[in-house]
Amino acid sequence: DQQVKQNSPSLSVQEGRISILNCDYTNSMFDYFLWYKKYPAEGPTFLISISSIKDKNEDGRFTVFLNKSAKHLSLHIVPSQPGDSAVYFCAARGAGGTSYGKLTFGQGTILTVHP
Amino acid sequence: GAVVSQHPSRVICKSGTSVKIECRSLDFQATTMFWYRQFPKQSLMLMATSNEGSKATYEQGVEKDKFLINHASLTLSTLTVTSAHPEDSSFYICSASQGFSNQPQHFGDGTRLSIL
Repeated sequence: DQQVKQNSPSLSVQEGRISILNCDYTNSMFDYFLWYKKYPAEGPTFLISISSIKDKNEDGRFTVFLNKSAKHLSLHIVPSQPGDSAVYFCAARGAGGTSYGKLTFGQGTILTVHP
Repeated sequence: GAVVSQHPSRVICKSGTSVKIECRSLDFQATTMFWYRQFPKQSLMLMATSNEGSKATYEQGVEKDKFLINHASLTLSTLTVTSAHPEDSSFYICSASQGFSNQPQHFGDGTRLSIL
């Protein structure tokens, strides 16, 4: 049972435009949601996170939005740059019990930003 | 800051060999380290959680005797794949956390394990 889902396997965007990456979750027992960027043969690099008590967090070109009622979060990158091309994973962190601190990852979305 | 080093980056060995992978936090003390496995075109799947000075906690379906984890210090955790077989071939990634609630996990660059 996939608790964190990224339904778009890929996204193609023109340089300078906005990239919107989406993620849905089914479990409410998460306290933080995180976005990671990953290049082939490398580990994920942390980008931005949001607490479950917030609905928006912004860091430079990256903004994460959280809609708790819809159990949906999104990552906005604006303006998109060719160097942003990578696989983006959303992850949800367990809030308690045996899942405390553990990350559950989505399947990833391949972002390609064209010059 | 928050650099995690994983070594080796790639291993190719014969079936039956045991392989040790090291994960180090270079500039912070990691009270907790995590080991993940990623199959091609799939997500990262948590294998086990390693706490310094105590036994690792394994996820359901992960064989404890197959994947030995040691977290002897606040900067080093090791994963040993014992008597590896071709089905153990995968991309293994570690992460480390400082243990504070608002701190993200930081990942190493992974180890590509290929068992012939």
